Amino acid sequence: DAMVIQNPRYQVTQFGKPVTLSCSQTLNHNVMYWYQQKSSQAPKLLFHYYDKDFNNEADTPDNFQSRRPNTSFCFLDIRSPGLGDAAMYLCATSRDPRRGAYEQYFGPGTRLTVT
Amino acid sequence: RKEVEQDPGPFNVPEGATVAFNCTYSNSASQSFFWYRQDCRKEPKLLMSVYSSGNEDGRFTAQLNRASQYISLLIRDSKLSDSATYLCVVRTPTPLVFGKGTRLSVIA
Repeated sequence: DAMVIQNPRYQVTQFGKPVTLSCSQTLNHNVMYWYQQKSSQAPKLLFHYYDKDFNNEADTPDNFQSRRPNTSFCFLDIRSPGLGDAAMYLCATSRDPRRGAYEQYFGPGTRLTVT
Repeated sequence: RKEVEQDPGPFNVPEGATVAFNCTYSNSASQSFFWYRQDCRKEPKLLMSVYSSGNEDGRFTAQLNRASQYISLLIRDSKLSDSATYLCVVRTPTPLVFGKGTRLSVIA
């Protein structure tokens, strides 16, 4: 089945220790997104790619970086995690929303704990 | 004013009840509208898209009122399995904007 896969599902890191979360998709969608979701809050968009075209949200901290080496894979790098970065990180994909009312498909998320 | 606003609930309803959620959005240029469902500690999943003419999928009916900038979701004959958080999602010219969600608990 075509899907969005995230690894790992649970990640524990130490304060200040860099961590990388990964996402892959078999849907062949050209748009990929990273969201941060904290308890009882809406998913917050961090950045997204239209193909290789990177789009950063204005309020995304510099501590968060992303890489998309090819259509299928996208990575979220947190350079120096703080306690406030503990959250669920959701990867999503879609076809180009500028060309139609395409919904997003989400991966199962990576729950990040910072100790 | 927040871009997408929802009543957070919780809505506690008995099985078989009809329940309605409303959502308002601030950007009149919004182009696409969706309802997503999110179970506890899981990812959001698309429940249904919302079209101008309104649309129905089984027990679920979605309505869009562009003039008043609100979207609604009606669930008839509630099941225990409907218990979840329902996210109102709007696409403005930028990618999707999520509401904080409305929590529904269906009680036996």
